[in-house]
Amino acid sequence: DQQVKQNSPSLSVQEGRISILNCDYTNSMFDYFLWYKKYPAEGPTFLISISSIKDKNEDGRFTVFLNKSAKHLSLHIVPSQPGDSAVYFCAASPYGGSQGNLIFGKGTKLSVKP
Amino acid sequence: IAGITQAPTSQILAAGRRMTLRCTQDMRHNAMYWYRQDLGLGLRLIHYSNTAGTTGKGEVPDGYSVSRANTDDFPLTLASAVPSQTSVYFCASSADWSQPQHFGDGTRLSIL
Repeated sequence: DQQVKQNSPSLSVQEGRISILNCDYTNSMFDYFLWYKKYPAEGPTFLISISSIKDKNEDGRFTVFLNKSAKHLSLHIVPSQPGDSAVYFCAASPYGGSQGNLIFGKGTKLSVKP
Repeated sequence: IAGITQAPTSQILAAGRRMTLRCTQDMRHNAMYWYRQDLGLGLRLIHYSNTAGTTGKGEVPDGYSVSRANTDDFPLTLASAVPSQTSVYFCASSADWSQPQHFGDGTRLSIL
């Protein structure tokens, strides 16, 4: 059973608009969440993270929101740029952020149109 | 440029052969990881090491072994490759288990 779900395999957004990528999880033991971005033929790159003691974390154009009661997190990109076109992976970790047990979603491919 | 180096970048291998994927990092990170990425399945953890001299099993460890003789190197060995091990393999490292991971560019492995 998939513990981290990204139900939208793809998303297309116009340049300058907001991109919202969603992620749901089932394991209530998860308490640390991360987003990674991946370009073709490259490894994933860390983007932003959030601990379960927070409900929002912001870094420039990127904001992650966490709703623990709904077991849902989202990544907002504002404004979206063509260079943001990539696959975005949501990941979660139990045990106080032990990275050895990082569980990834299947990814959402974001396309930002000029 | 500091980072993670994986070798080879791609390989075609006959089933039953032994193969070692190499991973070296020059960031003096304590923790290192091996993932496989399969179409439609995201990244799955194979093995990890929180510090030199220790290793642990991830989500999909069967058919793979690792060693961590020093801080910089974390090779992944397929003792007897099978077609189901065809995948893209990513090595990653982090300063410690609580820090975000940095990934290499992957090894594309095809088992025939």
